[in-house]
Amino acid sequence: KNQVEQSPQSLIILEGKNCTLQCNYTVSPFSNLRWYKQDTGRGPVSLTIMTFSENTKSNGRYTATLDADTKQSSLHITASQLSDSASYICVVSGSSYNTDKLIFGTGTRLQVFP
Amino acid sequence: GAVVSQHPSWVICKSGTSVKIECRSLDFQATTMFWYRQFPKQSLMLMATSNEGSKATYEQGVEKDKFLINHASLTLSTLTVTSAHPEDSSFYICSAITETQYFGPGTRLLVL
Repeated sequence: KNQVEQSPQSLIILEGKNCTLQCNYTVSPFSNLRWYKQDTGRGPVSLTIMTFSENTKSNGRYTATLDADTKQSSLHITASQLSDSASYICVVSGSSYNTDKLIFGTGTRLQVFP
Repeated sequence: GAVVSQHPSWVICKSGTSVKIECRSLDFQATTMFWYRQFPKQSLMLMATSNEGSKATYEQGVEKDKFLINHASLTLSTLTVTSAHPEDSSFYICSAITETQYFGPGTRLLVL
């Protein structure tokens, strides 16, 4: 069964600290893995997208890694800011983007406190 | 980046009425759009795939007669929740594909 699991379910950190979110997937075939940030009451916004051959991709203070052998990904947030408080969703695509069926993780809810 | 808009951003309606939600791709054409539903503290669940000029494809368990989808142009898809009931209250999000998939800001529906 195609699944995407994320951990932790929720996380609280202090402003300025780093954190790492985890994503394990059992999706086959595999096309790409994306990390999205979703603010409360808003639609998801893309942070990174990685294909099978990519191991790491950065977007500002966000760095995603992908190990296609172990089917694991992580999202590292550096020097967290209050605005980083949101849900972070790992999404795996099992097909080409033209028929973009996405498998969503349940998300990690991050809260950054001052 | 590409922009997808939704209208309205929130709506409150009485039980038994119908509600239409619009999804627009503002700066690109989208032959395919997707409609999702998200309940509190849960992830997005795909409801249907909207195809321009043809019938929508619904996911298992989603009633096509209750959630009417129309994709009449390359920039507009509409989702109509017919005879809405309180259990239809949710956050509805659409998305469209260009080089990647872009999500709209969502529409919060509350059925009283």
